[in-house]
Amino acid sequence: GQQLNQSPQSMFIQEGEDVSMNCTSSSIFNTWLWYKQDPGEGPVLLIALYKAGELTSNGRLTAQFGITRKDSFLNISASIPSDVGIYFCAGPPGGSYIPTFGRGTSLIVHP
Amino acid sequence: NAGVTQTPKFQVLKTGQSMTLQCAQDMNHEYMSWYRQDPGMGLRLIHYSVGAGITDQGEVPNGYNVSRSTTEDFPLRLLSAAPSQTSVYFCASTPLAGGEADTQYFGPGTRLTVL
Repeated sequence: GQQLNQSPQSMFIQEGEDVSMNCTSSSIFNTWLWYKQDPGEGPVLLIALYKAGELTSNGRLTAQFGITRKDSFLNISASIPSDVGIYFCAGPPGGSYIPTFGRGTSLIVHP
Repeated sequence: NAGVTQTPKFQVLKTGQSMTLQCAQDMNHEYMSWYRQDPGMGLRLIHYSVGAGITDQGEVPNGYNVSRSTTEDFPLRLLSAAPSQTSVYFCASTPLAGGEADTQYFGPGTRLTVL
């Protein structure tokens, strides 16, 4: 079964607010991936993290690979309406190339 | 590159019918996989393949068959559809080596309803 715990399940925020979500695992991960799924579409990769402690940004998005290798965080600054969607964390547990996905965080941004 | 393509986009089946969901990629990726997405459940792996002629089961394989005769194509077959298979199905591919290893490229999905 799934090994990733993603929280929160959903978020309702006002435009301009910052957003934080996280993912934890019972297993060590060598790679952490963050995807966004727009309504009616397939997930699209936002950020990939490959080293413990790594902090990577993509525009207003920032993600970190936890130093224990069992967690990761995604922050979105100054949210805008097009940030609406479902955000998934994912990654292959150590020793595997088969990715596991979290259950997703549903983000709604009110204008 | 077209990336990952899936057909059909929508499908309605009656219980007991069979059908094949098509998936193709033109990026020469070794690894391909099928997921189903249900509300609140995230993406669950059905079957995957690490190359032509090699397939294996994922987390929820029952009721589904796959084959991989070419690098490009990875069809998913429902032998006898059941209402529990109503879901959105996503195909994905990834290179197994190089800088983008482990990052998956998803198709647009097939929305399947079984009555």
